[in-house]
Amino acid sequence: NAGVTQTPKFQVLKTGQSMTLQCAQDMNHEYMSWYRQDPGMGLRLIHYSVGAGITDQGEVPNGYNVSRSTTEDFPLRLLSAAPSQTSVYFCASSTEDFLTDTQYFGPGTRLTVL
Amino acid sequence: AQKVTQAQTEISVVEKEDVTLDCVYETRDTTYYLFWYKQPPSGELVFLIRRNSFDEQNEISGRYSWNFQKSTSSFNFTITASQVVDSAVYFCALSEEVGGGATNKLIFGTGTLLAVQP
Repeated sequence: NAGVTQTPKFQVLKTGQSMTLQCAQDMNHEYMSWYRQDPGMGLRLIHYSVGAGITDQGEVPNGYNVSRSTTEDFPLRLLSAAPSQTSVYFCASSTEDFLTDTQYFGPGTRLTVL
Repeated sequence: AQKVTQAQTEISVVEKEDVTLDCVYETRDTTYYLFWYKQPPSGELVFLIRRNSFDEQNEISGRYSWNFQKSTSSFNFTITASQVVDSAVYFCALSEEVGGGATNKLIFGTGTLLAVQP
């Protein structure tokens, strides 16, 4: 049971490049989310999903796309990277009863956009 | 709109001192949930506690205790007899209610960096 895994751990992009941050969980969790963490701003929700085929926007969705074709995977796509997207990205998952169960966070991906 | 405020950006204490981390929240929901997470220097997020809006009982877990007061919209976290291993960033968070039910959409405060000196 690996929990929530994220790849890559580190990434450097040039402005305008696209890439996908991978997130996978093996706990059969319905709920998955993406957050970004910036200095002095805490974590902010980018996109979230309550099940396969269902996604919705969070607080800061611009510049990011998501899809949820399987329960296990929830990739985050940067369409055209900008320096403002330099951040640490966390993926999280939980069961439908997340309020009685723990929300599990992945180890994070540190992204730098030059 | 929902909001979480952690006014203390950084706190420095000497080992064995008690320390309280403040968290003030704003919400229009009658049902909501509050959380504390710890982020040690290694970077991962560690869940510490969850509290729902109908349960104002204080909670103690070892050296950790939490004080929830709806009257002041606060959910403060106290570490008793702090240790160097407590050094971390601590986040308070609020779950946003959608469609009459709580969700996994967390609203985080900006965090408090706690440094415990030996």
